[in-house]
Amino acid sequence: DQQVKQNSPSLSVQEGRISILNCDYTNSMFDYFLWYKKYPAEGPTFLISISSIKDKNEDGRFTVFLNKSAKHLSLHIVPSQPGDSAVYFCAASAGGVQGAQKLVFGQGTRLTINP
Amino acid sequence: DAMVIQNPRYQVTQFGKPVTLSCSQTLNHNVMYWYQQKSSQAPKLLFHYYDKDFNNEADTPDNFQSRRPNTSFCFLDIRSPGLGDAAMYLCATSRRTGGKRFFGPGTRLTVL
Repeated sequence: DQQVKQNSPSLSVQEGRISILNCDYTNSMFDYFLWYKKYPAEGPTFLISISSIKDKNEDGRFTVFLNKSAKHLSLHIVPSQPGDSAVYFCAASAGGVQGAQKLVFGQGTRLTINP
Repeated sequence: DAMVIQNPRYQVTQFGKPVTLSCSQTLNHNVMYWYQQKSSQAPKLLFHYYDKDFNNEADTPDNFQSRRPNTSFCFLDIRSPGLGDAAMYLCATSRRTGGKRFFGPGTRLTVL
């Protein structure tokens, strides 16, 4: 039962263009969402998060959008840079920022930025 | 730099031979987690410690055990590894409850 799904295993984008990574979830109790970035031979590192009371959160080149009615979130990277090439994981939890211990991860999307 | 360290980075064991993976942290976080990640799959939570309180996920096999002797260290013991246990094992920490995890680089386990 995959509660968090990233349906695109890979994505290729030209440098300077926008990268859009998508994530869908099925559990309506999820109210806190995060994106992690993973380089080869390293552990995932936190990128950006959003609470369900918001529909958008922005941090520099990274913006996360949340559509609660569609149970969908997306990560936008503008402009894309070669250093953004990595695997991106979407994750969700219930109980807010101070809530549940359990994060449920998606399978990841491998983003490749082409020069 | 405060960080999460995992040793070894690569571990090869034989079918049925017990193996222990190690995680240490300098972040002084209360919570330590162990995740299993198989190729092209989502990281799957095995269990976590909140201070000394152990919390096992319902679907974690009995073959997997954990120890946390102090705040800084946490171990993953696999009592009788099977071929299906070959995976990347990720240790993570967080300050208290909440979503932001700090991950170690992982240990890749190979079972022969």
